[in-house]
Amino acid sequence: SQKIEQNSEALNIQEGKTATLTCNYTNYSPAYLQWYRQDPGRGPVFLLLIRENEKEKRKERLKVTFDTTLKQSLFHITASQPADSATYLCALGNSNTGKLIFGQGTTLQVKP
Amino acid sequence: EADIYQTPRYLVIGTGKKITLECSQTMGHDKMYWYQQDPGMELHLIHYSYGVNSTEKGDLSSESTVSRIRTEHFPLTLESARPSHTSQYLCASSPGQGAHEQYFGPGTRLTVT
Repeated sequence: SQKIEQNSEALNIQEGKTATLTCNYTNYSPAYLQWYRQDPGRGPVFLLLIRENEKEKRKERLKVTFDTTLKQSLFHITASQPADSATYLCALGNSNTGKLIFGQGTTLQVKP
Repeated sequence: EADIYQTPRYLVIGTGKKITLECSQTMGHDKMYWYQQDPGMELHLIHYSYGVNSTEKGDLSSESTVSRIRTEHFPLTLESARPSHTSQYLCASSPGQGAHEQYFGPGTRLTVT
C-alpha cells in the first residue's frame, strides 16, 4: 500500500538556522508533491507545489526538492524565525483526480 | 485568506444524534473534499466531489454521507453519531483540472459523548 513517511519527532532549531524536513514515500508515483503548513486547531495552508519533472522550487525563504528516483522530497526554511513554528505536511498528488495523500507531518519549533 | 467556511467550529453532541457539518466556498471551485484528522495524525480523505451531483467515497471508510447540490456547498451528514466519530473534520476545495493546491477551511472539531 502507499506510504508516506515524515519524521514524527519534532525538529527543534535555533532562530536564524536552516530547517530541513524530509518526506519519503513508497509504492506511489505522484505527478506532483505539495507542502502545507498547519497550525494547531487550524486547517492546512498551501506553501509550495513541485511537479515530477522539476528538481527544485523556491519561494522566498522556502525551498523544496523532489527526487523521484529516491522517492524523497526535502523542504528547507532558511533564516528560520519563531513564527515558522508549526507542523509541516507533505502531500502526494494525482493529476487526474486532484486527490492528495498526506503524510503525518513534522512539527518544527524555532527557538529565539 | 481562503474563502472557504465551515460551521460549526466546535460541536459536542450525544450519541445517536443526527448532525450536519456545513462547508461553503465562494471561489467557484469544482472540486471539494472532506478529510478526517485525529490529533497528531495524517489527514484521511473520506469524501470528494468533482462537481454538482458528483460525489465519491474517499480512501478512509466513513459512515458519513455528503451531497453536492450547489457548486459552493458541500455538507457532510452523520445520521447517528457515535463516540468513534469524535475527530476533526476538514473541508477543502481546489480549481479545475491538473495539479492545484487545495484550500482548507478552519475545520470542525466534533466530540460525541
